[in-house]
Amino acid sequence: DVVMTQSPLSLPVTLGQPASISCRSSQSLVHPDGSTYLSWFQQRPGQSPRRLIYKVSNRDSGVPDRFSGSGSGTDFTLKISRVEAEDVGVYYCMQATHWPFTFGPGTKVDIK
Amino acid sequence: EVQLVESGGGLVQPGGSLRLSCAVSGFTFSSYWMSWVRQAPGKGPEWVAHIKEDGSEKYYVDSAKGRFTISRDNAKNSLYLQVDNLRAEDSAVYYCANNAFKDWGQGTLVTVSS
Repeated sequence: DVVMTQSPLSLPVTLGQPASISCRSSQSLVHPDGSTYLSWFQQRPGQSPRRLIYKVSNRDSGVPDRFSGSGSGTDFTLKISRVEAEDVGVYYCMQATHWPFTFGPGTKVDIK
Repeated sequence: EVQLVESGGGLVQPGGSLRLSCAVSGFTFSSYWMSWVRQAPGKGPEWVAHIKEDGSEKYYVDSAKGRFTISRDNAKNSLYLQVDNLRAEDSAVYYCANNAFKDWGQGTLVTVSS
């Protein structure tokens, strides 16, 4: 199975400051069809996960443009340009290139 | 508006069974792969099963193979997960999700305990 790792696991941030979360996979996430199926999810306390980014860098509709995704191969990053209070929660990366699909352990973002 | 509404969870003894359902509206259900994902208390999500638009292909995480069965009824816009021979470690909130996990339901809680 593809192992997804994230760092840091805990990220205290100051409101208005940037934040960055790293996600690494144990093998390349490039699918034979040429796409890279790496997504990012936000889970606020008490809520279901919400997809923010799909295929590395595509922002879902309704997701603020302060969220961006980048990376390739085995190394990916989610960036928040200016953290707002509503961004508190746990962020997960997930790969859907290889069966079984696997999630990272999560990064807990909270406000300093 | 896209809606996914899970039901069927509950308290069950080890070795027991449940049938989870997901009622879908707001998108063309028959055009999309669908998934079940579970999340144990305090843990991250774990993908459980995936089914093709027409039900002809199904994939499972290893821990679910032989015990869980994913199915769908496109005429009823519904997704199902039959969970048999339940173990304590299957206790979790079970979510259905569509279209590469774009939309999720609110989840249904399964608790396996004697």
